[in-house]
Amino acid sequence: NAGVMQNPRHLVRRRGQEARLRCSPMKGHSHVYWYRQLPEEGLKFMVYLQKENIIDESGMPKERFSAEFPKEGPSILRIQQVVRGDSAAYFCASSPYQGRDAEAFFGQGTRLTVV
Amino acid sequence: DAKTTQPPSMDCAEGRAANLPCNHSTISGNEYVYWYRQIHSQGPQYIIHGLKNNETNEMASLIITEDRKSSTLILPHATLRDTAVYYCIVRVSGGQNFVFGPGTRLSVLP
Repeated sequence: NAGVMQNPRHLVRRRGQEARLRCSPMKGHSHVYWYRQLPEEGLKFMVYLQKENIIDESGMPKERFSAEFPKEGPSILRIQQVVRGDSAAYFCASSPYQGRDAEAFFGQGTRLTVV
Repeated sequence: DAKTTQPPSMDCAEGRAANLPCNHSTISGNEYVYWYRQIHSQGPQYIIHGLKNNETNEMASLIITEDRKSSTLILPHATLRDTAVYYCIVRVSGGQNFVFGPGTRLSVLP
């Protein structure tokens, strides 16, 4: 059973370009979380999605960031017009159901570098 | 904000048990305690979780006090590969996400 797959593992973008980060959850998991980790800082929650629905986006920056989890295919975190401050590691996690006893499993992350 | 308090760092000798404490004095009756670790800059790795009973799996044991205000993660025979930042997390009631605090940086020494 493959784990959470994120791609690309490393992404370099110039300022002003768009970054698209993909997350394929574990088989049978329909809940996805996205986190951001700035260099030398902790993990910060961004958004929680269920298939075709955004459940909690309280951690998402108000502009330039969006996320989706379509019925088919991976979850996508999209960052438009990237700036140097967007350089970070972006992790996604998946869980099989919604509940306080449902563990979440993380992918290895996408490291975004904005030059 | 995280609802847990952990020491910022700990050392442990290789082969000895590593006991990582966590205080969660405001935990509610139906909130679970989770432990994750992050080795270097890899993705966080799930370790264990529990509600009120002690739990054990192939990685670790979780001891939760009877009043549930604190817990201890035990790595029975620490190895150099266990060097990581360990996060104790209380799954917030009504919340949908895991709130990561600064964690405990465990250094396993040869």
